[in-house]
Amino acid sequence: EDQVTQSPEALRLQEGESSSLNCSYTVSGLRGLFWYRQDPGKGPEFLFTLYSAGEEKEKERLKATLTKKESFLHITAPKPEDSATYLCAVRDDYKLSFGAGTTVTVRA
Amino acid sequence: DVKVTQSSRYLVKRTGEKVFLECVQDMDHENMFWYRQDPGLGLRLIYFSYDVKMKEKGDIPEGYSVSREKKERFSLILESASTNQTSMYLCASSRPTGEQFFGPGTRLTVL
Repeated sequence: EDQVTQSPEALRLQEGESSSLNCSYTVSGLRGLFWYRQDPGKGPEFLFTLYSAGEEKEKERLKATLTKKESFLHITAPKPEDSATYLCAVRDDYKLSFGAGTTVTVRA
Repeated sequence: DVKVTQSSRYLVKRTGEKVFLECVQDMDHENMFWYRQDPGLGLRLIYFSYDVKMKEKGDIPEGYSVSREKKERFSLILESASTNQTSMYLCASSRPTGEQFFGPGTRLTVL
């Protein structure tokens, strides 16, 4: 069974303090790793898809990277509006298996 | 942009009532999904559908049923609502490459 583990559970950052979130996975034959952002009381918002080790994707202050066993979401010089829960997921046929998420709080 | 809409943002129902949650997507996606999300338990898949009139059970289908009569619409039905079904319900549709796009969610409270 696919497993997705995210760490840390929570991350408190000062504005401008860069950091990384980890998503480790066990899956037989990766068919896509996905990152989402979720704000309180809202549905997850799609950020990135990664397919193969070495691949990187960027969007504003966020950069996602992928190795054979884990993915990192790097947040560079975060701002308070980057505060959210970040979810990763791996594809299993039609479905996605989600991690529990990392809640990021950025203080001004 | 992909648009997934859900019929209600907030819903309050009584124990034993039949509850319908509706979801509509405008991107002609084949696959649609219903999840519930609870604090500490994350996103859990209830049902999904990979084609009109086709459905598959997810991880927690007990107490729920679904209907997909048209490609763009996927309904979740609580046959007899119970207090343990109080939750945030999220609908999604996906591209063939797997990316899922979520609706805004329905916060259901069963009293």
